[in-house]
Amino acid sequence: GESVGLHLPTLSVQEGDNSIINCAYSNSASDYFIWYKQESGKGPQFIIDIRSNMDKRQGQRVTVLLNKTVKHLSLQIAATQPGDSAVYFCAENAHGGSQGNLIFGKGTKLSVKP
Amino acid sequence: DADVTQTPRNRITKTGKRIMLECSQTKGHDRMYWYRQDPGLGLRLIYYSFDVKDINKGEISDGYSVSRQAQAKFSLSLESAIPNQTALYFCATSDARLRGEQYFGPGTRLTVT
Repeated sequence: GESVGLHLPTLSVQEGDNSIINCAYSNSASDYFIWYKQESGKGPQFIIDIRSNMDKRQGQRVTVLLNKTVKHLSLQIAATQPGDSAVYFCAENAHGGSQGNLIFGKGTKLSVKP
Repeated sequence: DADVTQTPRNRITKTGKRIMLECSQTKGHDRMYWYRQDPGLGLRLIYYSFDVKDINKGEISDGYSVSRQAQAKFSLSLESAIPNQTALYFCATSDARLRGEQYFGPGTRLTVT
């Protein structure tokens, strides 16, 4: 039978629309969160990070929102482009844990329709 | 030239063989990491090193060993490969001052038959 987690959650959006990718984390001690983008055949690439003393952080066409109450993180991509098609991972790091030791989520695949 | 390179990029080996995956970086970072990626499971940390004399086990270190030969080089060994070690392996580096921002190599696809 299929293994749990074998298939990635997939988000399909129309080019030009906004995308929202969600991530739930479980460790209440996590105080730093990062989003990575992985294009097909490549290693993950850092997109944006946020510390737990912030609720929102904006980059170029991307915004990360953090809701510590429900342990939820989201990545918003404005005006999604075909080049945004990739798998997106959230990652967390706990204060007091080994600095730089990240725990990655399972990923969400974003497909952009032209 | 790429900042983080991995060799080989693809490898097929047989059960029981010893295999080494190598990683080199030109970013001048002290911290280096080895991850494996399996379909639908994200990235899992195997080993990490914060400097040449520092080696730490990650989430899934059983069956693997590492060597930090120099600041720029970090190799991963499978002493006796088994089929469930078939995966995509990534090396990454980071600057101690930039928490969480890791730079990944292109990956090594390993198949154990």
